[in-house]
Amino acid sequence: EAGVAQSPRYKIIEKRQSVAFWCNPISGHATLYWYQQILGQGPKLLIQFQNNGVVDDSQLPKDRFSAERLKGVDSTLKIQPAKLEDSAVYLCASSYDSGSVAQYFGPGTRLTVL
Amino acid sequence: DQQVKQNSPSLSVQEGRISILNCDYTNSMFDYFLWYKKYPAEGPTFLISISSIKDKNEDGRFTVFLNKSAKHLSLHIVPSQPGDSAVYFCAASQEGGTASKLTFGTGTRLQVTL
Repeated sequence: EAGVAQSPRYKIIEKRQSVAFWCNPISGHATLYWYQQILGQGPKLLIQFQNNGVVDDSQLPKDRFSAERLKGVDSTLKIQPAKLEDSAVYLCASSYDSGSVAQYFGPGTRLTVL
Repeated sequence: DQQVKQNSPSLSVQEGRISILNCDYTNSMFDYFLWYKKYPAEGPTFLISISSIKDKNEDGRFTVFLNKSAKHLSLHIVPSQPGDSAVYFCAASQEGGTASKLTFGTGTRLQVTL
């Protein structure tokens, strides 16, 4: 069974530029999560989708971050415009549904904002 | 506020000995706890979990203990192996015993020496 796929693996941009990350969850997984992991910290939940609907986006900085999950499968996370403090690893995770007992993570995208 | 705390940023243990990783939490509403292991340049991998109705869960070399009154959990690895060297994250959820909306600790880096 293929795991959670993410691309790109690394991205370097200048501040005020925009960037987008892509995630393909494990096949059949209805719930998808985006996390931000700043160096030295644990992952912080940004947004949770159930199929193509948003369940929780309370920690998503909506003035610059947006996410969508069209058709309830793949998802994209966008930052526009980026700030220096957005430098982090962006992790995507999925689970069979919101009642699952574990989330399964992709390898992440390391973003550096200069 | 940091609701899940891992106060030891690093731990070094000899191969064959026991590794004990600790985690404290402040939110009494958490009812499900997980441990994830993370290798460099990879996403976190689910290791083991425990519901708040239990005080111990065992899976091979890994055992998680939960002390609800102390709001403390620990992960025991016996015997420790060099391949266990990784960063370990404690995570907690308050979503009815599911892995939804996880709050992570800051991680403990375990190094198993020969």
